Amino acid sequence: GAVVSQHPSWVICKSGTSVKIECRSLDFQATTMFWYRQFPKQSLMLMATSNEGSKATYEQGVEKDKFLINHASLTLSTLTVTSAHPEDSSFYICSAETGTNTGELFFGEGSRLTVL
Amino acid sequence: QKEVEQDPGPLSVPEGAIVSLNCTYSNSAFQYFMWYRQYSRKGPELLMYTYSSGNKEDGRFTAQVDKSSKYISLFIRDSQPSDSATYLCAMRAAAGNKLTFGGGTRVLVKP
Repeated sequence: GAVVSQHPSWVICKSGTSVKIECRSLDFQATTMFWYRQFPKQSLMLMATSNEGSKATYEQGVEKDKFLINHASLTLSTLTVTSAHPEDSSFYICSAETGTNTGELFFGEGSRLTVL
Repeated sequence: QKEVEQDPGPLSVPEGAIVSLNCTYSNSAFQYFMWYRQYSRKGPELLMYTYSSGNKEDGRFTAQVDKSSKYISLFIRDSQPSDSATYLCAMRAAAGNKLTFGGGTRVLVKP
């Protein structure tokens, strides 16, 4: 299947700092990428849908000023957690659409954020 | 009521047994159905993808979709301890739309 890479795989930061997480499609161009958040033993919660070259569409209850999403190219989307607080500690996962209209979605390995 | 229902388990089976997983859903517009496997602290891995109704087989995995009953299944034959993971069903109405996930079923295959 298609490969989606996330970086970093884990990050620890101090409260009040900002953290950037990258999501790359390695062997295909992704017109659409999705960002999820997952708490322990729970399913994935969609945060936002990101289309290349346009503003992200955020799900209800997700603060767009806190979770900045940029999809500047067909192979890269970034999620920046601004002014992070301990409650932002979570597992963040991106997924990418292959663009072939098959409906298949591939996920990155996830990024574990711990805010101290 | 959730849009996609999935038994959380855990489902414990002996090695070599068939693992049977299923999801029910309420949105008749769903056409694309996927099964993902997720190991702890890892991203979901796409196992099976099916468009509309029917069966699909890939190695030890068989996915079935019954749109008339709004019911999908995943069968894992000759289960191995390495199959121990959480299995997530997911579906959407069209390519480009967001996925709706089931809550996941935790599977434990005992040696």
